[in-house]
This record gives sequence, structure tokens and C-alpha cells, in this order.
Amino acid sequence: EVQLVESGGGLVQPGSSLKLSCVASGFTFSSYNMHWIRQAPKKGLEWIALIYYDSSNKYYADSVKGRFTISRDNSKNTLYLEMNSLRSEDTAMYYCAEGAYWGQGTLVTVSS
Amino acid sequence: DVVMTQTPPSLSVAIGQSVSISCKSSQSLVYSDGKTYLHWLLQSSGRSPKRLIYQVSNLDSGVPDRFSGTGSQKDFTLKISRVEAKDLGVYYCAQTTHFPPWTFGGGTKLELK
Repeated sequence: EVQLVESGGGLVQPGSSLKLSCVASGFTFSSYNMHWIRQAPKKGLEWIALIYYDSSNKYYADSVKGRFTISRDNSKNTLYLEMNSLRSEDTAMYYCAEGAYWGQGTLVTVSS
Repeated sequence: DVVMTQTPPSLSVAIGQSVSISCKSSQSLVYSDGKTYLHWLLQSSGRSPKRLIYQVSNLDSGVPDRFSGTGSQKDFTLKISRVEAKDLGVYYCAQTTHFPPWTFGGGTKLELK
């Protein structure tokens, strides 16, 4: 069974940093491109980052470019999202996704 | 970026009825390989999204054939026949043809009448 389990969310102050993790199981993680997608409270879905299966390419939404960094460790079947200079508008549920499969999400709240 | 427009924003349905949701894109979603990367997802209340249909009309594993997807170029439709209670939630269309970014429709909330 495919599982994606995110962690690392929490309540942080504006301007601070946070690193999210997503542990994958049930499929060959190292063969798949992976995404981070977020959903602000009561809002729709916003794609924010993609990393190729071999980390050769990374893409970001304009809203997070320069502040967020996507990475992965295929030896640990883990996807990461490092988030810096957090703003109130970054408050959202953050999902990792392969395309067909999504994690349960981890909530990031940015507030003073 | 490709803009995805879903209508209606909400739908009230009785169990057993059929419904259709429309999704229109601002550009053709036909990729250079000839395939169309238009997908449908369902987000049930309090849950993460789940993909139901990929590339316009292909059902993901375990998705009942009460769901069907049609369309081409810029105009797509999701049809749900004989709606069941477990079908309720918010439906999103999404395109990955013109990527990045992966863009989503605004969602259609399917509720019980």
C-alpha cells in the first residue's frame, strides 16, 4: 500500500523557518517525481514545488521562489521542504504528492 | 499560467441522481506527445485530495465506473452516475500539460440535497 506521511508542521512566527518531511513507502520512491502542494484554510489547492526523481531539476511557484527549497533523500525515501522567511500567507496544510497519491498533510501556521 | 475554471462552484444532489461538473482551461491541454494531461480529484471532508481520473478519462485503481471523464482541448466534464453518499466532497480539475505550475480549478462542492 502506498503511503506518504508528512511531518514537521507547527505554529511559527513570521520571518522564521521550518522544515517539512514526507516519508514514502509502498512504491519505488527513487523512480518518481515528487511535489509539494498546499491548501490555505477554506481555500483551493496551490502547487508550490516539484523535484525530479533524481533531484536533477527543481521547480517552484512564484509565491515561494527564493524562500522555499525542495529536496529529497532517496536512500531514506524522504522528501523535504525547507521554508524560510515565512509569512502569514504561507499558513496552510502542506501535502506531499506523487500525482496519484497524496499524504494526509501537515499544518503550518504562521502567526505572531 | 493556465487558468482552470470549474462550474458550478457547488451542486446539491439527491442520492442516486447523476451530476456533471465542467472544467474549462485557458489554453489547449494537448501536450506535444498527443496526450491531454487533465485530471480530476476528490477531496472528501477533512481528508486529503485523491485522484480519481487521469488524462481526461482514465479511472484510477479502485474508482468505480460510476465516474467518467470526457472532453478535449479546453473543455472537459466529469460525470458521476448514481451518486452515493461517499461521493460527497469537493471536486477539483487539474492540468499538468503546461507545467510548471500544476494548476487547479477552483473546486466544485458536491452536497446532499
